Amino acid sequence: QVTLRESGPALVKPTQTLTLTCTFSGFSLSTNAMCVSWIRQPPGKALEWLALIDWVDDKYYSKSLKTRLTISKDTSGNQVVLTLTNMDPVDTATYFCARSPCGSCSGGTCSSDYWGPGTLVTVSS
Amino acid sequence: QSVLTQPPSVSGAPGQNITITCTGSSFNIGAGYDVHWYRQLPGTAPQLVIFDNNKRPSGVPDRFSGSKSGTSASLAITGLQAEDESDFYCQSYDTRLSGVFGGGTKLTVL
Repeated sequence: QVTLRESGPALVKPTQTLTLTCTFSGFSLSTNAMCVSWIRQPPGKALEWLALIDWVDDKYYSKSLKTRLTISKDTSGNQVVLTLTNMDPVDTATYFCARSPCGSCSGGTCSSDYWGPGTLVTVSS
Repeated sequence: QSVLTQPPSVSGAPGQNITITCTGSSFNIGAGYDVHWYRQLPGTAPQLVIFDNNKRPSGVPDRFSGSKSGTSASLAITGLQAEDESDFYCQSYDTRLSGVFGGGTKLTVL
């Protein structure tokens, strides 16, 4: 059974760095052609693709947020960490992590078949 | 304003067929990139209903189908049911931006 869950602070101040952890089970990020993506959704708005990391540790980012985003794999093997620097109120959103089978795709071209429930992050002083 | 344009809303009566369009450009769908579709109920995570333009994940009813032509893609739902009511999003890749989603379409079952 594939499950993912996001964790991190619910509230951050402007200019701070957000660190979110995606803890997953039921699949391995060491498995050929398996990736994890991060996507966010501001309240009442559309989804926004953020980043993807693949099984050989290649990383892909949204070009508009690339300078602020970092995605990495935890040494435990079942966690992916996303950091977003210089947080602003416009970054207030629900942040989702998702499994993205990536045998025939790369980066932002890949679909996501299992999603975590999401975690709402509010940016406010 | 997304580079993938979807109608804000679509509606249909139970049993009817509907289509949701996702219109892009030569930078994304028209460049040959695959299109994926998700449904999302309020307060929940998106669920993949179509990947790689026209493939259905296991468990998704065959009432859902996808197609792509030129710079656009479509999601068709036949035999509308009350439980189909949700928001739908298309996803593709844009050479200027990376992964991109459409603005979303609210499906109402009358």
